[in-house]
Amino acid sequence: DPKIIQKPKYLVAVTGSEKILICEQYLGHNAMYWYRQSAKKPLEFMFSYSYQKLMDNQTASSRFQPQSSKKNHLDLQITALKPDDSATYFCASSQAGQENSDYTFGSGTRLLVI
Amino acid sequence: GEQVEQRPPHLSVREGDSAVITCTYTDPNSYYFFWYKQEPGASLQLLMKVFSSTEINEGQGFTVLLNKKDKRLSLNLTAAHPGDSAAYFCAVSVNTGNYKYVFGAGTRLKVIA
Repeated sequence: DPKIIQKPKYLVAVTGSEKILICEQYLGHNAMYWYRQSAKKPLEFMFSYSYQKLMDNQTASSRFQPQSSKKNHLDLQITALKPDDSATYFCASSQAGQENSDYTFGSGTRLLVI
Repeated sequence: GEQVEQRPPHLSVREGDSAVITCTYTDPNSYYFFWYKQEPGASLQLLMKVFSSTEINEGQGFTVLLNKKDKRLSLNLTAAHPGDSAAYFCAVSVNTGNYKYVFGAGTRLKVIA
């Protein structure tokens, strides 16, 4: 059974629309992350959350908003979508505050903006 | 902040040959390092994690070396086989108040039968 669930697996969106990418983890972790992977930037850090609080934000655009409704959830809302947002978005989790804690990654959401 | 440089970006070897991927980092206070493998269309899977007290780690078909003096981490796949064809990423754990990874840009390895 997958320990981190990302939904949907594939997503096609129209330019200017809004989408939410879902991430749930069942590992008992208290830190969660979003990364983006595209041809231009292989693996780009976006956000980190610890105990449902934003710890680090490396995303320049406010169009990207993480949402943590439960401690094992970290969704990503993207508004005013652009073709440049097309990428695979990976969610990951780990134990917060532990430098040696490895990340477990979800299977990703492949977003195509047309 | 921490900078991680990974080389080479692409690597093609014949089956049975070795393949070496290297990452250099800048923060001398980094202590934890990770290697991930990503097969085409799949997610990232942890290969190995390396700590400051360990210089050499061996796994199934690969060796990881950590040289703290030179701030270099390397992954050596011995006797590569086609199943090793994938993208490999190194990561360095960085303390920003909450630990996060800084990833290398990745190496796309192709093993030719």
